[in-house]
Amino acid sequence: GEDVEQSLFLSVREGDSSVINCTYTDSSSTYLYWYKQEPGAGLQLLTYIFSNMDMKQDQRLTVLLNKKDKHLSLRIADTQTGDSAIYFCAESIRDMRFGAGTRLTVKP
Amino acid sequence: DAGVTQSPTHLIKTRGQHVTLRCSPISGHKSVSWYQQVLGQGPQFIFQYYEKEERGRGNFPDRFSARQFPNYSSELNVNALLLGDSALYLCASRPETSGSRNEQFFGPGTRLTVL
Repeated sequence: GEDVEQSLFLSVREGDSSVINCTYTDSSSTYLYWYKQEPGAGLQLLTYIFSNMDMKQDQRLTVLLNKKDKHLSLRIADTQTGDSAIYFCAESIRDMRFGAGTRLTVKP
Repeated sequence: DAGVTQSPTHLIKTRGQHVTLRCSPISGHKSVSWYQQVLGQGPQFIFQYYEKEERGRGNFPDRFSARQFPNYSSELNVNALLLGDSALYLCASRPETSGSRNEQFFGPGTRLTVL
């Protein structure tokens, strides 16, 4: 199975906040990442967080890291229809390990 | 600046055939990694190359091989194709400055279908 786990689906209304959750298993991960994949496209790096941080904010994106529980979340404020995509969390030790992705659907 | 480019965009092969996929990294990036993304799953690491040398290998059979050229472009080769090799193959390059951050930039991928 996956070392990095995510819920598969999330549906929100336009303008609401979206929260995508992820758990990872390797406590030696130095950085944790969030990638976005739109249909038919490659992965786009959204943001990353260093493991000694609890929170990182970047415009509409907020990343929270609970290292004790090995839990990572991505909050998207004021979600727009253009945010509809698959979101992957990933950890990097020797190589990059991805979760299965969360498909975010934004309804108008 | 151009991003990571991959060719071809789509490919259809039959079982038992061989395939070569190509990747050009972002200018100045010396590290290239390959990933396999099966439909409905996250990318799985296959190889990493840096300065033409293999620096990491994922849990893939020997039918998978790769190389990196002096201009840092890379090829992924898969022999004796199986139906299960059908996937999106992603290439990513990484800048020298990323250090332990391992910041990777992905290409659009090659969609391989094995019939």
